[in-house]
Amino acid sequence: EPEVTQTPSHQVTQMGQEVILRCVPISNHLYFYWYRQILGQKVEFLVSFYNNEISEKSEIFDDQFSVERPDGSNFTLKIRSTKLEDSAMYFCASSARAGGTGELFFGEGSRLTVL
Amino acid sequence: SQKIEQNSEALNIQEGKTATLTCNYTNYSPAYLQWYRQDPGRGPVFLLLIRENEKEKRKERLKVTFDTTLKQSLFHITASQPADSATYLCALDLFYGGSQGNLIFGKGTKLSVKP
Repeated sequence: EPEVTQTPSHQVTQMGQEVILRCVPISNHLYFYWYRQILGQKVEFLVSFYNNEISEKSEIFDDQFSVERPDGSNFTLKIRSTKLEDSAMYFCASSARAGGTGELFFGEGSRLTVL
Repeated sequence: SQKIEQNSEALNIQEGKTATLTCNYTNYSPAYLQWYRQDPGRGPVFLLLIRENEKEKRKERLKVTFDTTLKQSLFHITASQPADSATYLCALDLFYGGSQGNLIFGKGTKLSVKP
């Protein structure tokens, strides 16, 4: 069964460092997302991406964050200068249809720990 | 802004009983409402989607109802099993009419099914 894969599964970084989280969405999906989940809290929307551009972003997704689809398969989330509060599990997701009309397929997540 | 409340943080039931989880939302009624399952340290897994013009949806032992008057969805697991123990998340569109799959999630209800 097709799945969304994410790397790394866990990354530890120092405050102020840049981090890139990588995702390979399901191959025929057109819509891509990043969500995050701080330990013990709810899953929060960060950004959606369609047709090679950001379609929507939340208040969390400030100038420190950026996303890119550098080739036909990868989808990346970059945090330019990490802060302690960026420590969370980051989930990539993809879907075949827009909006809430279809299911989102989530990866297993990348746990980011900022020291 | 839209808010989601899931009735309780934890629900403990006996194996074989029916688990009923509640999701309430404020403001507008979404065009679609989804339910996901999340196991510890894993990404959410899609279970069911219900549209605003559907009262009820079933899938095997799962049933979802959607009452736009009450602004509520109920999620039922019949003949529950210990393997059903997980956190169940309610999710709906961030913007009315469905945007780009920008789901907002409730905090979830942690279900424990005891043998």
